Amino acid sequence: ETGVTQTPRHLVMGMTNKKSLKCEQHLGHNAMYWYKQSAKKPLELMFVYNFKEQTENNSVPSRFSPECPNSSHLFLHLHTLQPEDSALYLCASSQISGGTDTQYFGPGTRLTVL
Amino acid sequence: GNSVTQMEGPVTLSEEAFLTINCTYTATGYPSLFWYVQYPGEGLQLLLKATKADDKGSNKGFEATYRKETTSFHLEKGSVQVSDSAVYFCALSRGTALIFGKGTTLSVSS
Repeated sequence: ETGVTQTPRHLVMGMTNKKSLKCEQHLGHNAMYWYKQSAKKPLELMFVYNFKEQTENNSVPSRFSPECPNSSHLFLHLHTLQPEDSALYLCASSQISGGTDTQYFGPGTRLTVL
Repeated sequence: GNSVTQMEGPVTLSEEAFLTINCTYTATGYPSLFWYVQYPGEGLQLLLKATKADDKGSNKGFEATYRKETTSFHLEKGSVQVSDSAVYFCALSRGTALIFGKGTTLSVSS
């Protein structure tokens, strides 16, 4: 595997379900990100992890719970979601080096909440 | 605050036409600027970037120049191809994260 991978690619869940999204980066980076992409809206940054520590949470509802067990893996745990949470969830990684850090994105998980 | 404004799409062009997608930004300090492209069913890919004023980023025939005086980073290509059909996102850096515009859909027909 190369780059940034995400699983599953598609997920349909009911509002009472619990599911998890997985992201893995094979680039040796030290920072990972979750973004939400909804129709007609800009990409929204959700969480930032730097060296496994969460450094940013953009007022994301608690029904989204991130986990970063190591610098290569990032999870997004989902529970009691709402239909408006249906979106494409994108994971990204970068190497934070004090300069301009290019982010590399995975293909995304298309989430539908019924 | 920091924000990015892109021209509304969709942009529809014939093959070999000239492309311009406008992007302006509002930022404190001196951010780096990026163009990302998203092909159908895929994630975002970095197309080009510029890190300081007057820098020109270029890749695959696309170019954009960081204009501090007009706070702009317009994307251009001299001759588009059908394979360039995608959604294009302008973005600026804020610390370790990126702030994106809403995206502009480009559709190129043969």
